[in-house]
Amino acid sequence: EADIYQTPRYLVIGTGKKITLECSQTMGHDKMYWYQQDPGMELHLIHYSYGVNSTEKGDLSSESTVSRIRTEHFPLTLESARPSHTSQYLCASSEGQAATEAFFGQGTRLTVV
Amino acid sequence: KNQVEQSPQSLIILEGKNCTLQCNYTVSPFSNLRWYKQDTGRGPVSLTIMTFSENTKSNGRYTATLDADTKQSSLHITASQLSDSASYICVVSDRGSTLGRLYFGRGTQLTVWP
Repeated sequence: EADIYQTPRYLVIGTGKKITLECSQTMGHDKMYWYQQDPGMELHLIHYSYGVNSTEKGDLSSESTVSRIRTEHFPLTLESARPSHTSQYLCASSEGQAATEAFFGQGTRLTVV
Repeated sequence: KNQVEQSPQSLIILEGKNCTLQCNYTVSPFSNLRWYKQDTGRGPVSLTIMTFSENTKSNGRYTATLDADTKQSSLHITASQLSDSASYICVVSDRGSTLGRLYFGRGTQLTVWP
């Protein structure tokens, strides 16, 4: 079983609030990712990191920001939540070359009202 | 454009029956192909991963095949169980970048009825 954890699992929040979605992994993986997934749709990469102090934007434009101060921790922040941010957010990690496994967290279901 | 297409979009079968899910991709240069199972409201869990040289790989009742020449893969589920009801996602990785970019299909929603 993968050792990657996301909190909270579910979040309902009002428009304009600042939120941080937490993601932690205990496998020592260098690469970490954030994906956004709407119901019945594919996952879209919004942020990724090669290691500490490395963050890059993904394919899907997102108003969120990320940080990677520690190897095991990759939080995602929305400064001012909007209803358009309602979605499922999935965190993943992997190590080494592309052939290695990518492990996913359980996801955070965000609803902005 | 790198793409991953899955079919069918959804499938309903009776418990105990077999089924086959399809995945076609245009990702290049190809690195590996993975099949994930995603239960509703949860993160994807890996079933199999295959590189260019592998034609088939099994994981219990799940058997994945890969034809790198035609860029097609299939996932065969044998003797289906109610717990197999989930979305099955085909994911292809390229080797054209350090990141090893992952390209996701939209998934096949499988429902197993008793």
